[in-house]
Amino acid sequence: LAKTTQPISMDSYEGQEVNITCSHNNIATNDYITWYQQFPSQGPRFIIQGYKTKVTNEVASLFIPADRKSSTLSLPRVSLSDTAVYYCLVGPGATGRRALTFGSGTRLQVQP
Amino acid sequence: NAGVTQTPKFQVLKTGQSMTLQCAQDMNHNSMYWYRQDPGMGLRLIYYSASEGTTDKGEVPNGYNVSRLNKREFSLRLESAAPSQTSVYFCASSSGQGYSPLHFGNGTRLTVT
Repeated sequence: LAKTTQPISMDSYEGQEVNITCSHNNIATNDYITWYQQFPSQGPRFIIQGYKTKVTNEVASLFIPADRKSSTLSLPRVSLSDTAVYYCLVGPGATGRRALTFGSGTRLQVQP
Repeated sequence: NAGVTQTPKFQVLKTGQSMTLQCAQDMNHNSMYWYRQDPGMGLRLIYYSASEGTTDKGEVPNGYNVSRLNKREFSLRLESAAPSQTSVYFCASSSGQGYSPLHFGNGTRLTVT
């Protein structure tokens, strides 16, 4: 499974856009990039998934350059409730033996 | 629609005691997983079940056993608890089709003294 590297922590203020970058230099051809969000005392929650270029949903955008060796999760106009740990995962999907491995994630702290 | 339900939410064991963590999902998912999360760390896969009737080891299976009771339920058993097994345990499920995301329960916080 592709190893990922993300910043340990980030700080932001309410209303700002936050970009969290994940490096995955050895991503395989059939790997997808998936981001999860985890609040204290809760299980991780799926945010967004993509293969290439840009994906957008009601929560976030995911930017993936052509070489796919990195990806950026973009959270528009964050609020205090976006304070959480964000995990970047790379792999062929949560299918049996290819279950995804979580790294330590990025701890985002949003301040008023 | 409850999603993934884990019981109990909290448990304290003494070293050497045994217990079973229960997990059930109501999304008709094929695959189920058990992860553990130690303080300040990411999640590590203990065991998973790709489909009903099959189970396989993950990264950290030592000291644990699992049972896929039926399509809905996947239990994790600690036969002889050790302090090193103090952790938060998360159960997850996915449809197992393509690049389907994981759906997690809210965890069981286990302390072994």
